[in-house]
Amino acid sequence: GDSVTQMEGPVTLSEEAFLTINCTYTATGYPSLFWYVQYPGEGLQLLLKATKADDKGSNKGFEATYRKETTSFHLEKGSVQVSDSAVYFCALSDGSNTGKLIFGQGTTLQVKP
Amino acid sequence: DAGVIQSPRHEVTEMGQEVTLRCKPISGHNSLFWYRQTMMRGLELLIYFNNNVPIDDSGMPEDRFSAKMPNASFSTLKIQPSEPRDSAVYFCASRQGSVVHEAFFGQGTRLTVV
Repeated sequence: GDSVTQMEGPVTLSEEAFLTINCTYTATGYPSLFWYVQYPGEGLQLLLKATKADDKGSNKGFEATYRKETTSFHLEKGSVQVSDSAVYFCALSDGSNTGKLIFGQGTTLQVKP
Repeated sequence: DAGVIQSPRHEVTEMGQEVTLRCKPISGHNSLFWYRQTMMRGLELLIYFNNNVPIDDSGMPEDRFSAKMPNASFSTLKIQPSEPRDSAVYFCASRQGSVVHEAFFGQGTRLTVV
């Protein structure tokens, strides 16, 4: 079945460092790909998305490119801030009409001043 | 719009008791998802509905778990009888239209079974 694999955390960075969180997926058909973020005590919220191969999603300085050839959707940010500390989830919605939405394990990011 | 509303926010119950979690999706959304989040297993999809019809319940752990969606504005997840290993945060999410659209999450219900 479909699945999403993320790099294990936690990831600890200093402020203004470069961030990469790896995400790879397995899916049949043509899934849509998402990154969600979860702040402490809250539900998940969408960070960015890409719906077809070679699309780049971006938001708040974060970017991810849908790479069909490597089945990847890595999250990047050039300069992280303390306020970016959160748990990040990679997700896919399968290409069927029903759109099952499944998530990776989540990666905790801690940014230190 | 108030977003996805879950109740209760916190629930503490004794082992063996019945627990019912509730979810009100965003008006107009036609897909609804129930997830369970734990440190060990991450975010697991339990069941999802399209147009009030259960599409895939393969993630439901066992027969003690059941979910219903009697209409477009309400869903329940029931655990009977509850066990300590059911302790987790349970999230409900809803989505409008096709698979390219984002899902919106509720604040979650933190369940503790003692």
